[in-house]
Amino acid sequence: DAGVIQSPRHEVTEMGQEVTLRCKPISGHNSLFWYRQTMMRGLELLIYFNNNVPIDDSGMPEDRFSAKMPNASFSTLKIQPSEPRDSAVYFCASSYGLAKNIQYFGAGTRLSVL
Amino acid sequence: KQEVTQIPAALSVPEGENLVLNCSFTDSAIYNLQWFRQDPGKGLTSLLLIQSSQREQTSGRLNASLDKSSGRSTLYIAASQPGDSATYLCAAHTNAGKSTFGDGTTLTVKP
Repeated sequence: DAGVIQSPRHEVTEMGQEVTLRCKPISGHNSLFWYRQTMMRGLELLIYFNNNVPIDDSGMPEDRFSAKMPNASFSTLKIQPSEPRDSAVYFCASSYGLAKNIQYFGAGTRLSVL
Repeated sequence: KQEVTQIPAALSVPEGENLVLNCSFTDSAIYNLQWFRQDPGKGLTSLLLIQSSQREQTSGRLNASLDKSSGRSTLYIAASQPGDSATYLCAAHTNAGKSTFGDGTTLTVKP
């Protein structure tokens, strides 16, 4: 398996623009997690899904952030409108089961909002 | 709210030395604890996963221990090598899937 695949790897956009980050989990995994990493706040869990259903979105910072998982092999994290403080590395991870098994991380998307 | 702390924030050791990284968590009601490695500009790679019922896990030169009652986990690295240089993060997971990460310990192993 190719592992968790995230796209794009890098995104530079202007403040106010819509940003969509994409994630393809490992085939067969039924849990998917979105994280954000910054120097100031470290690694934060934003939202996670189990069997395509959002379980906990309490980590989503604002209504500008939204995430979807339309099927078992694809998820998106959208920021609209984007702001400079959203600049961070966004990671997607997947696992089989919510907590029992190892989470496998993608390489991340480095987002810069100017 | 779970809080995870890792001490020290940075550690530099000469090659060949054995070392211990520390992770503490405030809420002992965890389902498991996971140690990760992160290289600069890269994603996280899972090293060891310890279930709450376990005391330790070993993989090669790595040994992770877990003491739920005291809210502590340690990652022991034997015979360190320059290739071990990276940031090591621990994460506490609840049975509902919620993860809380520490800020990591950045390890430098000098040749």
